[in-house]
Amino acid sequence: GQQLNQSPQSMFIQEGEDVSMNCTSSSIFNTWLWYKQDPGEGPVLLIALYKAGELTSNGRLTAQFGITRKDSFLNISASIPSDVGIYFCAGSVYSGGGADGLTFGKGTHLIIQP
Amino acid sequence: NAGVTQTPKFQVLKTGQSMTLQCAQDMNHNSMYWYRQDPGMGLRLIYYSASEGTTDKGEVPNGYNVSRLNKREFSLRLESAAPSQTSVYFCASSNRLRGNEKLFFGSGTQLSVL
Repeated sequence: GQQLNQSPQSMFIQEGEDVSMNCTSSSIFNTWLWYKQDPGEGPVLLIALYKAGELTSNGRLTAQFGITRKDSFLNISASIPSDVGIYFCAGSVYSGGGADGLTFGKGTHLIIQP
Repeated sequence: NAGVTQTPKFQVLKTGQSMTLQCAQDMNHNSMYWYRQDPGMGLRLIYYSASEGTTDKGEVPNGYNVSRLNKREFSLRLESAAPSQTSVYFCASSNRLRGNEKLFFGSGTQLSVL
């Protein structure tokens, strides 16, 4: 199956800093999704991307679908304490709809130091 | 707005015991999924149900069975629990539409097998 490499594995930043994380794949994907997981909760969808080159924002979050279709980036501007959590990327090669074709990255653990 | 509801929240089993994890969604989604999350491994698909009346194996199905009871409910059964099944389990649902892989997750079941 497809392999997703998500980096960095963890980030220790100061409040107010900008954050960047990315996912790369050995295969071409048609869909990229970014999720955030708060402690003790399930992942929640942040941004969905469907076209190569697409740049989409959700508040302070911006994600991009790489031109090569093998990577995606998530940026968080001016981080705040509630940004703490685990961020997952997920990619899919379209197979008729549904999420059974999704491959998840292993997550980036974001920690904000006071 | 319940979304995806999982029970129980926590469970401790002895090796060899059986149990069923329950999941229900109220979003009228046609597809439902069971994932397990282990440290450093991300989210791995156990089983899924593309529509009512169908179930299929995911990436890590061994040791599990599922039942799609109706459109709302999808249960996961461990017939003879093993320590390797200690994990956090997430149920998720989605609308199975072309190009739509957006998953909505429950809040998880933390399972320990001793």
